[in-house]
Amino acid sequence: QKEVEQNSGPLSVPEGAIASLNCTYSDRVSQSFFWYRQYSGKSPELIMSIYSNGDKEDGRFTAQLNKASQYVSLLIRDSQPSDSATYLCAVNRHAGTALIFGKGTTLSVSS
Amino acid sequence: DTGVSQDPRHKITKRGQNVTFRCDPISEHNRLYWYRQTLGQGPEFLTYFQNEAQLEKSRLLSDRFSAERPKGSFSTLEIQRTEQGDSAMYLCASSFSGSLSTEAFFGQGTRLTVV
Repeated sequence: QKEVEQNSGPLSVPEGAIASLNCTYSDRVSQSFFWYRQYSGKSPELIMSIYSNGDKEDGRFTAQLNKASQYVSLLIRDSQPSDSATYLCAVNRHAGTALIFGKGTTLSVSS
Repeated sequence: DTGVSQDPRHKITKRGQNVTFRCDPISEHNRLYWYRQTLGQGPEFLTYFQNEAQLEKSRLLSDRFSAERPKGSFSTLEIQRTEQGDSAMYLCASSFSGSLSTEAFFGQGTRLTVV
């Protein structure tokens, strides 16, 4: 089992819809969780971090964490064509270890 | 200093040559990470430093790869006797330890092509 798993997609949503991206992780003791956005040919850009169970909202983005189910998700409300990118889930076992990334989910928002 | 800086942005080299990449982290960040990313994959962890100490190395990091971070500031990643399979984007990221937050920020990457 891979440490961090994401559905590679593509996930296609119409403009204005909610995009839901999911990620599962295998190490139960993981403490920190991150979502990065990566445009084609560019480096990853941090968009959300979450450390506690529940929801965390930042603008149109909401991260959700369920440690019991080892599941983290990202919701993008009012999706825009500019949100079309690959979204990478990353997990940190604890502060002294490196981030481990999933393969990413490609999101396509059509206008 | 507005972010992580990597140099060069692109490198084309012949198989068998040595290459060296440089990364300058965000100035107050004491942690520095190297990742490698190939098309369609997420970043794969290579190694990381806290200050000048190299604390963790991936099994992916063969003997041909070496990284340094003298004086805990910039870092270099050297690949000796490059192979075509080394062609990838090499990403550097930095973060600050000392709190729960371990948010890491990436540089623009160095794209290596081995011909």
